[in-house]
Amino acid sequence: DIQMTQSPSSVSASVGDSVTMTCRASQGISSWLAWYQQKPGKAPKLLIYTASTLQSAVPSRFSGSGSGTDFTLTISSLQPEDFATYYCQQANRFPLTFGGGTKVEIK
Amino acid sequence: EVQLLESGGGLVQPGGSLRLSCTASGFTFSNYVMNWARQAPGKGLEWVSSISGSGGNINYADSVKGRFTISRDNSKNTLDLQMNSLRAEDTAVYYCGRGRGNIYYFDFWGQGILVTVSS
Repeated sequence: DIQMTQSPSSVSASVGDSVTMTCRASQGISSWLAWYQQKPGKAPKLLIYTASTLQSAVPSRFSGSGSGTDFTLTISSLQPEDFATYYCQQANRFPLTFGGGTKVEIK
Repeated sequence: EVQLLESGGGLVQPGGSLRLSCTASGFTFSNYVMNWARQAPGKGLEWVSSISGSGGNINYADSVKGRFTISRDNSKNTLDLQMNSLRAEDTAVYYCGRGRGNIYYFDFWGQGILVTVSS
């Protein structure tokens, strides 16, 4: 199975800050990676797929990069609605696997 | 507008069965792979099962293989998850999710439905 490791597990930041989080796959997954945002009590929401393609209606302050085993999600100029938990997911092969999440908290 | 609505959750005793359904609308259902994922209380996301648009390609997580069965009815726009031999560790919010065409992302999610396995 492909293990997905996210870091950090949590980060504290202020509105307007830039935040970067990483997702590492235990083996190469090309660009078959998605990022999701989840707020408490809500379903996750797709932000980015194929490592760097922004889902429709997602603000451009979200960006993704990487290929192979190392990926990053960057939120530039953090907004109040961005405080949430972010998950990566590989779609390269079954079983599909998610990372453990990165929680973005208010400093 | 894409909508996914789960139903069928609730409280069940260990060893019992439950059938979840996901009713889809707002898109051509048969053109999309469909997925189930779950989230135990306070935990992260776990993929459960996926099915291709035709229903001919099915995959399961090892944790549910042999106990859960995914199926779809493209004439009714429904996705089902039959869950047998339920265990306490199956307690979670279950989400159905639409793939991105034939790619196994989750580009739209249902609101989730709680399954509690307890005596």
